Amino acid sequence: QITLKESGPTLVKPTQTLTLTCTFSGFSLSTSGVGVGWIRQPPGKALEWLALIYWDDDKRYSPSLKSRLTITKDTSKNQVVLTVTNMDPVDTATYYCAHRPYNSGWFDPWGQGTLVTVSS
Amino acid sequence: QSVLTQPPSVSGAPGQRVTISCTGSSSNIGAGYDVHWYQQLPGTAPKLLIYGNINRPSGIPDRFSGSKSGTSASLAITGLQAEDEADYYCQSYDSSLSGWVFGGGTKLTVL
Repeated sequence: QITLKESGPTLVKPTQTLTLTCTFSGFSLSTSGVGVGWIRQPPGKALEWLALIYWDDDKRYSPSLKSRLTITKDTSKNQVVLTVTNMDPVDTATYYCAHRPYNSGWFDPWGQGTLVTVSS
Repeated sequence: QSVLTQPPSVSGAPGQRVTISCTGSSSNIGAGYDVHWYQQLPGTAPKLLIYGNINRPSGIPDRFSGSKSGTSASLAITGLQAEDEADYYCQSYDSSLSGWVFGGGTKLTVL
């Protein structure tokens, strides 16, 4: 059974850097074809894909946020970390991490999500 | 503005059939990339409902079905039940953006 769980601060101040950790079990990020992605959802709004890291450390970022995002993995700890620099109130959202199955284009399953509020 | 366009809301009475459309372009659905659908119940994380345009993961009732044609895709729900009331999102890949894209979401109300 694959599970993922996001952790990190619930409140950050504008201009600060957000660091979120996704801790997963039930799969290995060293398995060929597998990936972990980050998706966010502002309150009452749609889902927005942010970043994805593959088993071979290849990384992909949303073009609109690329300059502010960094995704890394620690295979030994079964963790993926997302950092977002220069946080702004518009970045207030629930941040999800999700498993990208072998050579697929979808995300399944997702973590429960963590709400991050940006406010001074 | 989402890359994939969905109607903001649809509704239907219990037992009825509803469809949710997802319209893309030549750089995503029209380019041959698969469409996937997620169900998001209130206060919960999205759950995969349909993958690869037409396939249902284990445990998803056959009341849910997907289709794709040209630059669009559709999700159909038959025999509508109260527990189907949720937000539904389509998702694909976009070659121009070199990334994954979602629709704006559709809120299904069961009357």
